[in-house]
Amino acid sequence: SAVISQKPSRDICQRGTSLTIQCQVDSQVTMMFWYRQQPGQSLTLIATANQGSEATYESGFVIDKFPISRPNLTFSTLTVSNMSPEDSSIYLCSVEGMVGSEQFFGPGTRLTVL
Amino acid sequence: GEDVEQSLFLSVREGDSSVINCTYTDSSSTYLYWYKQEPGAGLQLLTYIFSNMDMKQDQRLTVLLNKKDKHLSLRIADTQTGDSAIYFCAEVGSGGGADGLTFGKGTHLIIQP
Repeated sequence: SAVISQKPSRDICQRGTSLTIQCQVDSQVTMMFWYRQQPGQSLTLIATANQGSEATYESGFVIDKFPISRPNLTFSTLTVSNMSPEDSSIYLCSVEGMVGSEQFFGPGTRLTVL
Repeated sequence: GEDVEQSLFLSVREGDSSVINCTYTDSSSTYLYWYKQEPGAGLQLLTYIFSNMDMKQDQRLTVLLNKKDKHLSLRIADTQTGDSAIYFCAEVGSGGGADGLTFGKGTHLIIQP
């Protein structure tokens, strides 16, 4: 399976600020995704990070709030902009595995907004 | 739209088998997954099954799929205290791994001594 790292692992931020989360994979992958897991909840797909083009966002998520970069096949960033306490969540990146049907997750970034 | 349903809690005695159930609504689902999340940890892919299969076994884990009823189950044999976690069922559509997953709310597996 791919080895996925995320930075930071956790952060506490003030309302109105922005945080950029990094996701690094140890091998080239075609598909990368960003998910949100709100406290005590399941995971919700935010967007698909496309290499060389704009991310594809799911219903309820917009680029202005969650801009995503995907400069190459091993790296992506998710920015949570103009944060409010409702953005407090764990943010996870995932990648498609070698087999194609597998999806592996990074360790997550635990964000608390005060 | 897509929807994945799971019971929120399951309590079993150590050494017994655990059966975690899941139902889904998307008939075009190609793969169905089981993930494990321990407290404070990330998601671990346990196993997955292709929609044209009805069973998959991997050591203590057995996945059963009833495509007609859109029902998926995960059986854990000889449940141990280390199996205590939240188990998420997830499905993906016709794009396979090229699409994001839709998750259930997760089943908390509680092990009684």
